[in-house]
Amino acid sequence: GAGVSQTPSNKVTEKGKYVELRCDPISGHTALYWYRQSLGQGPEFLIYFQGTGAADDSGLPNDRFFAVRPEGSVSTLKIQRTERGDSAVYLCATTSREKNEQYFGPGTRLTVT
Amino acid sequence: GNSVTQMEGPVTLSEEAFLTINCTYTATGYPSLFWYVQYPGEGLQLLLKATKADDKGSNKGFEATYRKETTSFHLEKGSVQVSDSAVYFCALSVSGSEKLVFGKGTKLTVNP
Repeated sequence: GAGVSQTPSNKVTEKGKYVELRCDPISGHTALYWYRQSLGQGPEFLIYFQGTGAADDSGLPNDRFFAVRPEGSVSTLKIQRTERGDSAVYLCATTSREKNEQYFGPGTRLTVT
Repeated sequence: GNSVTQMEGPVTLSEEAFLTINCTYTATGYPSLFWYVQYPGEGLQLLLKATKADDKGSNKGFEATYRKETTSFHLEKGSVQVSDSAVYFCALSVSGSEKLVFGKGTKLTVNP
């Protein structure tokens, strides 16, 4: 079956602009996670959804970052007033209720110029 | 807090050499431990996991044993192949907190 998909695969934006990154989970997966991976680093947790609600948003770096999952499936990560330091690969992962294994998407590479 | 420290790379080996990538952790509670692999141009994939002390995770010839006494989860493979060239990440999650905490990753290159 289809895995986790993320769009766009690449996004280049100017400093100060607004961006949206989309994650389509594996069908039936109830939990969804966003991570950010900077060059040469491991992924860092941003936010976790169980169904429609954000169960843990402790990793969001500041109030410019926001994520939604209105119908408990697709999620959108939103970044306002982008800064060059936001440049990274943004990863989405999902997991089923039965198996405690996170399946990762290919990521969106965000470059802020 | 929770953290993972893994040996810095890059690691370069010849085909059929023995591989060890060290990983140690600090955690509150009783973590589950994972190794993820990222092949060139691909997304992160779970390689193996262990959920309690003395468990051994294994997959594709790789093994790692959950050592509570040394807070370690070292990755080993007896004979590496060129196709094992990738970046390897050690990670943990703590019961009650679903998020993964990753190490910085170790890049492995295997030469023929």
